[in-house]
Amino acid sequence: GENVEQHPSTLSVQEGDSAVIKCTYSDSASNYFPWYKQELGKGPQLIIDIRSNVGEKKDQRIAVTLNKTAKHFSLHITETQPEDSAVYFCAAGYTGTASKLTFGTGTRLQVTL
Amino acid sequence: DTAVSQTPKYLVTQMGNDKSIKCEQNLGHDTMYWYKQDSKKFLKIMFSYNNKELIINETVPNRFSPKSPDKAHLNLHINSLELGDSAVYFCASSQERQREGYGEQFFGPGTRLTVL
Repeated sequence: GENVEQHPSTLSVQEGDSAVIKCTYSDSASNYFPWYKQELGKGPQLIIDIRSNVGEKKDQRIAVTLNKTAKHFSLHITETQPEDSAVYFCAAGYTGTASKLTFGTGTRLQVTL
Repeated sequence: DTAVSQTPKYLVTQMGNDKSIKCEQNLGHDTMYWYKQDSKKFLKIMFSYNNKELIINETVPNRFSPKSPDKAHLNLHINSLELGDSAVYFCASSQERQREGYGEQFFGPGTRLTVL
């Protein structure tokens, strides 16, 4: 089955700096890679996703890159703000009725003033 | 409007009891999921239902039984609760897109289960 590793487990940055979270996956059949943000006491919320036919995707201050050959993908947050503080999860999955996501272990991002 | 809702939000119970968690989605999605998030925040899929049919059943003890009365509901019943069942349980839903084959999963707010 799929195995997703995520690093770092905790990340502290100053407001305005950039944050990078990295994930690797094992199953070459995976073709869908979403990133979720989980705030305290809430469910995970999708912030950006990328599919295997795309190498990079950007949405305002967040971007995701995918290297399918190396089986790794990364989340980049620029100009971080205190409201970016949360736990971030990467995930890997594949299309089809039996689609399922395997999540990384999460990164706790703390943006300090 | 709440897209994916769960009840109850908190559930505290004794070992050995049987309890249920309810989930409803008003997004018109055809696939629903149950996830378990442990104390270390690790999020793991338990079950997936597509159009009321069980699609994914990860190695979950038989004490856990999902039930989908219709496409909009997926309930989770747990028998003979154990201490290790304490966790936050999340329901999610998605709609498979015809072309892309995979839709965004929308998560509910979670149910924090504490077994004493």
